[in-house]
Order: sequence, then C-alpha cells, then structure tokens
Amino acid sequence: IAGITQAPTSQILAAGRRMTLRCTQDMRHNAMYWYRQDLGLGLRLIHYSNTAGTTGKGEVPDGYSVSRANTDDFPLTLASAVPSQTSVYFCASSDGVTDTQYFGPGTRLTVL
Amino acid sequence: GQNIDQPTEMTATEGAIVQINCTYQTSGFNGLFWYQQHAGEAPTFLSYNVLDGLEEKGRFSSFLSRSKGYSYLLLKELQMKDSASYLCAVRDSNYQLIWGAGTKLIIKP
Repeated sequence: IAGITQAPTSQILAAGRRMTLRCTQDMRHNAMYWYRQDLGLGLRLIHYSNTAGTTGKGEVPDGYSVSRANTDDFPLTLASAVPSQTSVYFCASSDGVTDTQYFGPGTRLTVL
Repeated sequence: GQNIDQPTEMTATEGAIVQINCTYQTSGFNGLFWYQQHAGEAPTFLSYNVLDGLEEKGRFSSFLSRSKGYSYLLLKELQMKDSASYLCAVRDSNYQLIWGAGTKLIIKP
C-alpha cells in the first residue's frame, strides 16, 4: 500500500441499509478525516480523528459514525442510509508538520 | 459565518497565463492551501501559504494577503492537462480546513 486506500470504489445502496466505508493509510499520519463532496459545494468535513483512540465531529456528522482503533484505519459507518447521503466520500490524512492533507481516491455512494 | 469565495468556472487558452482568485472570511487564519482536482479523482496538494507574499513552484505560484483576506493561484504556460478544478482552503483558528467550492478551469487549444 502506498498512501491512502479506500473501499469500495463505488456502491449502490438501498435506503435503510447499513454501510461501512473503509479507509487505510500507511504514512503513519496521526490525523485522519472524512469528507463528502457534492456538486457545487466545497468539501464538507464529516468526522475527524487527531490521533488513534480519539474522534471528533465535523460540519455534517449526523447519520455517520467513525472509530479509530489504530493509526492506520478510519472506517466511516452509515447506520441507516438515506438518499441525501448520496455523494462522493473522501478520506484524508495529514502530516504533523504543515498539516497538509492527503486524500484517498474516494468512494462514490448512491443511496436509492 | 465562515466563507470562501472562488469563481465557479474560468476558461483559458493553452500556453497562456491564468489567475484564480480566492477571498476568505474565517474565524482566525492558520494557513491557506490550494489543491488541484481532476474530474473523478481526489484532490492533490499544490501549495501552502501562511505568510504574505508569493510562493513559486515551477509553473504554479500562489500569493497571499492576510490583511485583505485574499489569495490567488497563478498558472503559467498552460497545458491541456491543467484542465481541472482548483480548490482553495483556509485553516481556521480551530485548525480545521474550510473549503471553497472550487474553480473549474477549462483549457482550450
């Protein structure tokens, strides 16, 4: 693995189903983030984690949960998906120097 | 509230120069970032400014004026591969990144 990986690449999901988006990084970055990106809007922060074992809420956390059991993994769970959660989801991690964020390839999620 | 403004779309000609502006109003300032995002791909880091002035990186330069809440990204010798969206983001007093909606740059031959 080099950088950040996300899985799945894309998914179509029925409303009401539970879904976990996976994110793994191998850069040993302490901080990790989940964003959603919708057409015409900027990236919006869902949840973040400054270090393993801690998480925080971003701008649009409702309907989403995260966990950070170790440095490398930061899964995002939709407990009961709704159509408004149709979006592209990006995971990112940042170094501790300039806090530049590096992004995974994204997951395109469609909730029907 | 916090706000980042960028033009929605710009068009330029291959080989020319283009300047993409970004103005911001945020609660505190701890740096400004520019990212490039090709259609269907992830954002990739271009530049970081925390002090006033110009930072140059090859064909790309980024300028910051903190007193004016203003930055621009200057792209020289435009190539077709520069067709992408350019995202401006400001790190606020809580060290969270506030993102603009992005500027879609179209390069014509």
